Amino acid sequence: GQNIDQPTEMTATEGAIVQINCTYQTSGFNGLFWYQQHAGEAPTFLSYNVLDGLEEKGRFSSFLSRSKGYSYLLLKELQMKDSASYLCAVLESNYQLIWGAGTKLIIKP
Amino acid sequence: NAGVTQTPKFQVLKTGQSMTLQCAQDMNHEYMSWYRQDPGMGLRLIHYSVGAGITDQGEVPNGYNVSRSTTEDFPLRLLSAAPSQTSVYFCASSKDEKEKLFFGSGTQLSVL
Repeated sequence: GQNIDQPTEMTATEGAIVQINCTYQTSGFNGLFWYQQHAGEAPTFLSYNVLDGLEEKGRFSSFLSRSKGYSYLLLKELQMKDSASYLCAVLESNYQLIWGAGTKLIIKP
Repeated sequence: NAGVTQTPKFQVLKTGQSMTLQCAQDMNHEYMSWYRQDPGMGLRLIHYSVGAGITDQGEVPNGYNVSRSTTEDFPLRLLSAAPSQTSVYFCASSKDEKEKLFFGSGTQLSVL
């Protein structure tokens, strides 16, 4: 069946690095998205991976291993404004998006 | 550009009432969709459209109707509201179903 797993909540310190993992079992694979969602707001796009490897975009990087059904989002030099939920979503072979429940990231000073 | 405009932001309904959530985008996107977001769960797809005149059901379509008469607009109708439809609703659009989504600001709906 379809399943996406992410940790429910993580805590990190301002200025540090945090890695948010996402594992998936889906019907085919056409790419993996990460979105950021601040409390009370809409999700916004962060990254997209379709090939294995690391994609770097400023302080944020996303990694994909298709053979392991695994991705992570790496956030460096954490800032208080990075406190948000991070949503992992897989695009299946029929182009339907399957969403994880999200990881709530709490940043402490 | 306004992006994706979704109204209203908040709504309270009584069981059995009907209402329409409005969604419009000005990016000439072909793909539009409606999601609901409930605590502890991933976003769940209600209905989607790959272009004007075409709609299809998502994962949780029961109790909801949609239409897509123009590229810009994709309203979601609740036919007879039930407490189980209490949720946060998001409209989203993209160039096509493979591309990143742009979300509206959301509607917090409570059904009493």
